[in-house]
Amino acid sequence: GENVEQHPSTLSVQEGDSAVIKCTYSDSASNYFPWYKQELGKRPQLIIDIRSNVGEKKDQRIAVTLNKTAKHFSLHITETQPEDSAVYFCAARLSSGGYQKVTFGTGTKLQVIP
Amino acid sequence: KAGVTQTPRYLIKTRGQQVTLSCSPISGHRSVSWYQQTPGQGLQFLFEYFSETQRNKGNFPGRFSGRQFSNSRSEMNVSTLELGDSALYLCASSVEQGRGYTFGSGTRLTVV
Repeated sequence: GENVEQHPSTLSVQEGDSAVIKCTYSDSASNYFPWYKQELGKRPQLIIDIRSNVGEKKDQRIAVTLNKTAKHFSLHITETQPEDSAVYFCAARLSSGGYQKVTFGTGTKLQVIP
Repeated sequence: KAGVTQTPRYLIKTRGQQVTLSCSPISGHRSVSWYQQTPGQGLQFLFEYFSETQRNKGNFPGRFSGRQFSNSRSEMNVSTLELGDSALYLCASSVEQGRGYTFGSGTRLTVV
């Protein structure tokens, strides 16, 4: 099955700096990579996603890059703000035998220091 | 439009009991997935249902089961509860399997 590793587990940045979270996956058949943000006491929410046929996707201050050869993808947040403080989860969707299975990373707790 | 609704929000059970959790997906979403969230363990996949059929199952013991009804609502059941089953149980619905999840607020289960 798929295995997703996420680093770092915690990350502190100064407001205005950039933050980068990296994930690696094990199965080359994975074809979809979403990122979820979970604020304290709230549900995870999809913030950006990328399909395997795309190398990079941007949405305002957040971007995701995918390196299929190396089997890793990263979340980039620029000009961080205190409201970016949350736990971020990466995930990989594996397609196998007509079924889809999503495996999540263990999460990165991002703290943006004002 | 209404989001994903999970009931109950909180639950306290004793060891050995069983529990049933409910998830009503967004209208039009036929895929419902269940996850267990515990501190330090992230989101552990339990199972996924699509069109009333279990399409995938995670590495949880047989005490964990689920089903999906014709209106896409889903239930999960945990029998013979153990202390280690204490967790936040999240369900997520999507139009397409595994893509663009919308999560519910979760059911926080405490086993004493």
